Amino acid sequence: DGGITQSPKYLFRKEGQNVTLSCEQNLNHDAMYWYRQDPGQGLRLIYYSQIVNDFQKGDIAEGYSVSREKKESFPLTVTSAQKNPTAFYLCASSDAGRTEAFFGQGTRLTVV
Amino acid sequence: RKEVEQDPGPFNVPEGATVAFNCTYSNSASQSFFWYRQDCRKEPKLLMSVYSSGNEDGRFTAQLNRASQYISLLIRDSKLSDSATYLCVVNWNNNDMRFGAGTRLTVKP
Repeated sequence: DGGITQSPKYLFRKEGQNVTLSCEQNLNHDAMYWYRQDPGQGLRLIYYSQIVNDFQKGDIAEGYSVSREKKESFPLTVTSAQKNPTAFYLCASSDAGRTEAFFGQGTRLTVV
Repeated sequence: RKEVEQDPGPFNVPEGATVAFNCTYSNSASQSFFWYRQDCRKEPKLLMSVYSSGNEDGRFTAQLNRASQYISLLIRDSKLSDSATYLCVVNWNNNDMRFGAGTRLTVKP
């Protein structure tokens, strides 16, 4: 089945550690996105990528890094520079800017 | 002005009621618009795309007003299962999607 997969579903991290969230899609989509959602809040764009080996910062990129070495993969690293990383992270992909986005099931990151 | 702005609600309505949500956007060049539904602690899922003058799907009607830069979602004959957060999504310069903060709907018996 085609889809977009995020892993892990739940992640716990100690303060000061970097952690990488996985996002893989087999929909052959060019565009991929990372969003952050805090309780009771909307989605905020962290990074997006329109093509392999290229990505752009979103509204809240500080403390995060990404790579797009393969079309199907867009991992997000939450670095120790991110001051408040506890949140729900959603990865999405779309065929092009004009079409709807498909979401993974999300990763809940908790800093302990 | 926020890029994509929605009334956060919450909207609390009885079963069978008609409820409407509005969403305004600031980018006049936007070409694609969507309504997503998000259940608690789940990922958003596409409810409807909104193209040209709008469209209807059963009890749901979405409309677009380009001149005033807003889209709307109308839900008729509300069901308990319609309780969720509804997100307005606007394509931005053909590059990325911008989400509204969402409008929370609770349908009560």
